[in-house]
Amino acid sequence: GAVVSQHPSWVICKSGTSVKIECRSLDFQATTMFWYRQFPKQSLMLMATSNEGSKATYEQGVEKDKFLINHASLTLSTLTVTSAHPEDSSFYICSASPQNDSPLHFGNGTRLTVT
Amino acid sequence: AQKVTQAQTEISVVEKEDVTLDCVYETRDTTYYLFWYKQPPSGELVFLIRRNSFDEQNEISGRYSWNFQKSTSSFNFTITASQVVDSAVYFCALRFTGTASKLTFGTGTRLQVTL
Repeated sequence: GAVVSQHPSWVICKSGTSVKIECRSLDFQATTMFWYRQFPKQSLMLMATSNEGSKATYEQGVEKDKFLINHASLTLSTLTVTSAHPEDSSFYICSASPQNDSPLHFGNGTRLTVT
Repeated sequence: AQKVTQAQTEISVVEKEDVTLDCVYETRDTTYYLFWYKQPPSGELVFLIRRNSFDEQNEISGRYSWNFQKSTSSFNFTITASQVVDSAVYFCALRFTGTASKLTFGTGTRLQVTL
């Protein structure tokens, strides 16, 4: 079945530094990947849609200069949290599907803690 | 606009009880997909089922069953003879068909199954 791998699983960084999170589709190609954010005990909120070879589409209220997304290949999208602050601490999870109407498969998520 | 409502925030049952998780959705589109995902304490999202809006046939998979009623815009999920391993947060989600589009999640229902 479709597998999405996300790395790292967890990361602790200091305030002001940048953190890169990778999302890979292991056994399929994905022209589109999605990045979600989840606060404790809350639902998943879409941050942006990552498009291979073009700019990401950000949801309203998401700072594109803070959350940099790069989708350089059909199997890899990266999310970089720039100049991280404690309020950026959250669970970030990516998803992709083999075809447009296939179920979305999710990575295992990355728990980011900014100190 | 599309919206998914899971009115039950938390449910607690004793093992072997049956439990139904409610999901009500809103969309103006005539074609769409509905999903259920399970999020155990470890955080990953596990795909459970996808239902096309044209297919109102109920589905059973082991102890899981789903009741899709388009007339009431509901897609309820029943776990029969619940087990401790069923303890998780369950998310109902909605997605347009056709082009790759985002999942809109409900707020989730936290199910706690105790001995």
